[in-house]
Amino acid sequence: DTAVSQTPKYLVTQMGNDKSIKCEQNLGHDTMYWYKQDSKKFLKIMFSYNNKELIINETVPNRFSPKSPDKAHLNLHINSLELGDSAVYFCASSFRGKRMNTGELFFGEGSRLTVL
Amino acid sequence: RKEVEQDPGPFNVPEGATVAFNCTYSNSASQSFFWYRQDCRKEPKLLMSVYSSGNEDGRFTAQLNRASQYISLLIRDSKLSDSATYLCVVNSYSWGKLQFGAGTQVVVTP
Repeated sequence: DTAVSQTPKYLVTQMGNDKSIKCEQNLGHDTMYWYKQDSKKFLKIMFSYNNKELIINETVPNRFSPKSPDKAHLNLHINSLELGDSAVYFCASSFRGKRMNTGELFFGEGSRLTVL
Repeated sequence: RKEVEQDPGPFNVPEGATVAFNCTYSNSASQSFFWYRQDCRKEPKLLMSVYSSGNEDGRFTAQLNRASQYISLLIRDSKLSDSATYLCVVNSYSWGKLQFGAGTQVVVTP
């Protein structure tokens, strides 16, 4: 059973297009995240939702819009794609409350976006 | 200055040897520390948490030095399957906003 699954795994598109990546977790976690890993391998947090509420919103262009319909799903929509958006986007989930929080993030397999 | 810095490597290690590497962090108020492992073109996975007193998990030993603001990872009796990038992760601010280092690449050779 896949714990954190994201689709699509690969995405090749032209500049200016709009695309979405979907993420689902079946771990019962209350918090989900989007991370971006660029060519230099830095993993940078973009957004985080706790129980459908946006709790982390880093300095990300407003072309990126996350949506969490429920605590098991977190999607990422990107408008007007640019060359610099090419990266691997990882979804992750965890427990946020102190009682159950081990500090472990569970990552999806990543969505490799290439903008031409 | 980056919040979490690591030597990118690669550290080329003969099978069976020991390898150790550090990670420095800039925020002295950092509270939680972790090592994650990332295989090529795969997602990161938690390797171990790092506790103040140091901790060991099989062949892996993690240490925390708060005074000098670094954590370390030591791998004993290296296996070929230990080849990966090891990511240092620090929780400096609010929970959930983990800061990742760029990783240290370890290549174990036969």
